[in-house]
Amino acid sequence: DIQLTQSPSFLSASIGDRVTITCRASQGISSHLAWYQQKPGKAPKVLIYAASTLQSGVPSRFTGSGSGTEFTLTISSLQPEDFATYHCQQLDSFPLTFGGGTKVEIK
Amino acid sequence: EVQLVESGGGLVQPGGSLRLSCAASGFTFSDQYMDWVRQAPGKGLEWVGRIRQRENRFTTEYAASVEGRFTISRDDSKNSLYLQMNSLKTEDTAVYYCARPRYSSAWYFDYWGQGTLVTVSS
Repeated sequence: DIQLTQSPSFLSASIGDRVTITCRASQGISSHLAWYQQKPGKAPKVLIYAASTLQSGVPSRFTGSGSGTEFTLTISSLQPEDFATYHCQQLDSFPLTFGGGTKVEIK
Repeated sequence: EVQLVESGGGLVQPGGSLRLSCAASGFTFSDQYMDWVRQAPGKGLEWVGRIRQRENRFTTEYAASVEGRFTISRDDSKNSLYLQMNSLKTEDTAVYYCARPRYSSAWYFDYWGQGTLVTVSS
């Protein structure tokens, strides 16, 4: 199985900060990675797919990059509505797997 | 508007069974793969399994943690997805989501239901 390691698992940041979350895969997955945002009590919402493609309707302050085994999600200027948990997911091979999540909280 | 609505969650004793449903609308359900994903309280997301559509002979994939105990099925005439869960364990306690995989240069889940809570406890 492909393991995804997200770091950090917790992040405290201020409005306007630039935030970067990393997701490392235990083996190469090309660009078959998606990023989701999840708020408490809600279903995840896709932000980025194919490692770097912004889902329609998602603000441009979210960017994804990487391929192979190392990926990043960057929020260029953190907004109040961005405080949430972020998950990466590999869809390269079964079983599909998720990273452990990164909770972004207000400093 | 695409909608996925799960139902059927509840409290069940260890060793018991439960069937979850996911009602789909707003798209051609019979054309789509469908997946189940779960999230234990305070934990991360865990993929449960997938069912493909008729043209792919309704084949399925499962996570090792549920293989042999859970069965995914679908009824295209009712636009519905199901998750039959047998021999339930306390570690199956989670919110269960149905999700729609989509392919556009790569796969991702573009729509999710609101989730239904399954609690396995004596």
